[in-house]
Amino acid sequence: NAGVTQTPKFQVLKTGQSMTLQCAQDMNHNSMYWYRQDPGMGLRLIYYSASEGTTDKGEVPNGYNVSRLNKREFSLRLESAAPSQTSVYFCASSPGAGAYNEQFFGPGTRLTVL
Amino acid sequence: GENVEQHPSTLSVQEGDSAVIKCTYSDSASNYFPWYKQELGKRPQLIIDIRSNVGEKKDQRIAVTLNKTAKHFSLHITETQPEDSAVYFCAASKAYGQNFVFGPGTRLSVLP
Repeated sequence: NAGVTQTPKFQVLKTGQSMTLQCAQDMNHNSMYWYRQDPGMGLRLIYYSASEGTTDKGEVPNGYNVSRLNKREFSLRLESAAPSQTSVYFCASSPGAGAYNEQFFGPGTRLTVL
Repeated sequence: GENVEQHPSTLSVQEGDSAVIKCTYSDSASNYFPWYKQELGKRPQLIIDIRSNVGEKKDQRIAVTLNKTAKHFSLHITETQPEDSAVYFCAASKAYGQNFVFGPGTRLSVLP
């Protein structure tokens, strides 16, 4: 059981480039999430998918798009990267959406935009 | 929307002493309060959580208390050890809400 996996682990982009962060979970969870973590600001939700086929904006969605490819996979796309998007990105999953559901995090992707 | 504040931002304690981290939340509808621990360079992991119908919960050296009236909850770590050194995040969520709102984190250092 790998839990939540993310690729890549590290990425350096130039301003304006695009890329997709991949996330997969093998726990048969319904809900998946993308967070960004910046120093001193905790974890901020970018997008989430409460169940397969649905996606919704979180606190900081601007500049990002997501795709819930199937129940296992949830990708995050940066169409035109900006230096402000330099951050550590975590994917997470939970059995269901909302309270009483522990969120399991992936190992993170460290993204630098020059 | 929900706003979660967390204090202190950094905390240093001597090994064996206790550590207390406090969080406040703004939305009275929130009813689930997890605590996550993140070691350096690693992913956040749940260490304890509490539901709004419970005032206190313990798990070995870790305890969480909740005051719904005052809208604050606290993490208590007793007999701290070097491996407790990490960043701790509190969060708040509603029963039918779609996500957690995390506090900004507390960096705990346990000094030998």
